[in-house]
Amino acid sequence: KNQVEQSPQSLIILEGKNCTLQCNYTVSPFSNLRWYKQDTGRGPVSLTIMTFSENTKSNGRYTATLDADTKQSSLHITASQLSDSASYICVAGHAGNMLTFGGGTRLMVKP
Amino acid sequence: DGGITQSPKYLFRKEGQNVTLSCEQNLNHDAMYWYRQDPGQGLRLIYYSQIVNDFQKGDIAEGYSVSREKKESFPLTVTSAQKNPTAFYLCASSTAAAQQFFGPGTRLTVL
Repeated sequence: KNQVEQSPQSLIILEGKNCTLQCNYTVSPFSNLRWYKQDTGRGPVSLTIMTFSENTKSNGRYTATLDADTKQSSLHITASQLSDSASYICVAGHAGNMLTFGGGTRLMVKP
Repeated sequence: DGGITQSPKYLFRKEGQNVTLSCEQNLNHDAMYWYRQDPGQGLRLIYYSQIVNDFQKGDIAEGYSVSREKKESFPLTVTSAQKNPTAFYLCASSTAAAQQFFGPGTRLTVL
């Protein structure tokens, strides 16, 4: 069964601090790994997308890593800002552009 | 202003009523998708369409119906057969094997 697990479920950090979100996936056949940011009551917005041959990809203060051997990914946020408060969703892509979504990590950045 | 629009933003349904959620895109994408999001859970695929006049069931299609008469439009009808329709509904579109872009969502509440 295709599955994506994220940890932690929620996280509170102080503004300016760094944090790392984790994702484990079991998807076959694996095509790509995506991270989305979703503000409350809004649609998800793409942050990064990596194929199985890519180890890391950055988008501003967001850096995603991928280990296709261990089926793990992480999203690192540097110098957090209040606007980073959102849910971060890990998504595994497989055949036919189908996606399996994780439950998300809810991040709150406090001043 | 290009993108995906969904309407209405909020929708209330009485027991036994059918309601239709609108999704329109002007990105010239061939593929469109409908997802359902419940609190703390990953997005689940309801229906998808890879091309006009063709669509397939996703993981949770029971109680829903769709049509794809135009490339730009992919409306979702929530029928009275859907026993627990209260949720956040997201529409997405993509080109083949590319990232999916999401609309702003419709929150449906059953009264």
